[in-house]
Amino acid sequence: AQSVTQPDIHITVSEGASLELRCNYSYGATPYLFWYVQSPGQGLQLLLKYFSGDTLVQGIKGFEAEFKRSQSSFNLRKPSVHWSDAAEYFCAVGPFTGGGNKLTFGTGTQLKVEL
Amino acid sequence: GAGVSQTPSNKVTEKGKYVELRCDPISGHTALYWYRQSLGQGPEFLIYFQGTGAADDSGLPNDRFFAVRPEGSVSTLKIQRTERGDSAVYLCASSLLPRGNEQFFGPGTRLTVL
Repeated sequence: AQSVTQPDIHITVSEGASLELRCNYSYGATPYLFWYVQSPGQGLQLLLKYFSGDTLVQGIKGFEAEFKRSQSSFNLRKPSVHWSDAAEYFCAVGPFTGGGNKLTFGTGTQLKVEL
Repeated sequence: GAGVSQTPSNKVTEKGKYVELRCDPISGHTALYWYRQSLGQGPEFLIYFQGTGAADDSGLPNDRFFAVRPEGSVSTLKIQRTERGDSAVYLCASSLLPRGNEQFFGPGTRLTVL
């Protein structure tokens, strides 16, 4: 069965500092990988996704993520964090072929930005 | 255009009662998903519809949970004999095509069972 691990429950960074949120997945086949962001009272918003091709993926709001098959990782990065980035971030994996279409989410990383 | 909408936004009920949660997907999206998000957790898959039929209901926790999508658009998640452990945010998502497409999420319904 697929699983997603986000080892950092909470992360605090200063505004303007760089950010990296970790995500490791376990999946028996080629996965689709996603990062979503959830602000209080808001639905999940897709930041970026990886299906195939270039392993460095650019997303919205200046975020990027790198797929590393050898490490089963899909870490999210941002060079300079803005106060408005404070939110909860979820990594998710879905099937590339076969199976259902459900996404399996990690437990999330809560990002706090200090001004 | 309009996104995924869910009603009600909040629902408080008593243990043992029946509740219905509604999801209006983005127009034209054929795939619809229900997830449940408990406090401090990521969303957990419940059920997936392709058109009117439930293509995968493997995430429904037990037979108290049931969902329908009779006309291939609006979906209703139904919970019978609610228990306190059912308290969570229930999220609905839709996508244009079933596989590999971005799932667009609604704001969720917060269910509290007293």
